[in-house]
Amino acid sequence: SSDLTQDPAVSVALGQTVRITCQGDSLRSYYASWYQQKPGQAPLLVIYNKNNRPSGIPDRFSGSSSGNTASLTITGAQAEDEADYYCNSRYNNGNHWLFGGGTKLTVL
Amino acid sequence: QVQLQESGPGLVKPSETLSLTCTVSGGSISSDYWSWIRQPPGKGLEWIGYISYSGSTNYHPSLKSRVTISEDTSKNQFSLRLKSVTAADTAVYYCARLTIVGPTSDFDYWGQGTLVTVSS
Repeated sequence: SSDLTQDPAVSVALGQTVRITCQGDSLRSYYASWYQQKPGQAPLLVIYNKNNRPSGIPDRFSGSSSGNTASLTITGAQAEDEADYYCNSRYNNGNHWLFGGGTKLTVL
Repeated sequence: QVQLQESGPGLVKPSETLSLTCTVSGGSISSDYWSWIRQPPGKGLEWIGYISYSGSTNYHPSLKSRVTISEDTSKNQFSLRLKSVTAADTAVYYCARLTIVGPTSDFDYWGQGTLVTVSS
């Protein structure tokens, strides 16, 4: 499949660790990037090049990849991490880009 | 710090053409790739296409027949035209910089987004 599949919703207790996954055939060839989106705001890049964080992104955010699955891990989730998270990568042909359906993270 | 700002009409009639412009500051559109991405209300993100530093374009297959992305390097702007719009094109439209390095790519800078509603 050329799609990127994410769980629609995930919850985590405050201070605990949560992993958000993204599955797709294209991830065998191309790295995923991850975006955080809060209500009414533009998406914010939080992980790129598999496991790199842009300046200003807390180090509790990390990324990993194995086979056709990319993961975003938040170690010690904070209330402000409650948001929608989207993965992104290229299609298998390398010429187009696609986003996963998004995962709504709730911090309990 | 690269900044992007979308501008254009917030309301477009069905069958007409949606036109938006993205003004870039703190960076040059003569380098990198510059994309449009949209998000229907309550839904996920959809990549529309890009224009490259050399002026070449690349569009989402499902929109290719209706989309044109162009640039004005003198103003450091790039634009989106989407023709024959329907209600399904109602969305927040974002412009963003796309950085590509080998197998990795990311949209590292985004505009704030602009809501375009298709309605008569």
